[in-house]
Amino acid sequence: GESVGLHLPTLSVQEGDNSIINCAYSNSASDYFIWYKQESGKGPQFIIDIRSNMDKRQGQRVTVLLNKTVKHLSLQIAATQPGDSAVYFCAENILRDFGNEKLTFGTGTRLTIIP
Amino acid sequence: NAGVMQNPRHLVRRRGQEARLRCSPMKGHSHVYWYRQLPEEGLKFMVYLQKENIIDESGMPKERFSAEFPKEGPSILRIQQVVRGDSAAYFCASSTPASNEKLFFGSGTQLSVL
Repeated sequence: GESVGLHLPTLSVQEGDNSIINCAYSNSASDYFIWYKQESGKGPQFIIDIRSNMDKRQGQRVTVLLNKTVKHLSLQIAATQPGDSAVYFCAENILRDFGNEKLTFGTGTRLTIIP
Repeated sequence: NAGVMQNPRHLVRRRGQEARLRCSPMKGHSHVYWYRQLPEEGLKFMVYLQKENIIDESGMPKERFSAEFPKEGPSILRIQQVVRGDSAAYFCASSTPASNEKLFFGSGTQLSVL
């Protein structure tokens, strides 16, 4: 079936360095992608999203890159801080006229920032 | 997101009992989604509701699980005759009727079945 998968389940990065978290998706019909951050005991928190008509989008310290040719998504976090330690999920969706439903989540990557 | 309220945070049930999980969406949000998360896994879609309507329940198990979102009050996810395999974190998310609105998640209910 369709799925969203991640290449690396864990990632450790030195504080202050940049981190890159990768995600592969398989549904070529997906046209909307989101990265979520989930801290222990909490619900997913929206970080950044991107539509399929874009290949790059930047936020505060975060950048999402989308390569539709190889169905690959990445999240770059610049100048990592201890508070960035969390599990990061990519999710995909097919936008419809109304609502935003049935996000398909990847397994997640646990990012650990080393002080 | 603190705006989506779920309770209880933790729920312990014995096998065969019923579990009721509640979700109050953010103010102004009329769309509610339920997701289930097993340890070390991503969230899996269960059901999408609007006020008094189930829009998509393709992720719900065929038996024992039901969901509602009444005109007044919170959305309820109900699991009858719970089994150990139902142990998971259940997250609720809400959004507005406008298209392309991102989901805001609650802090979840951790269900443990003994």
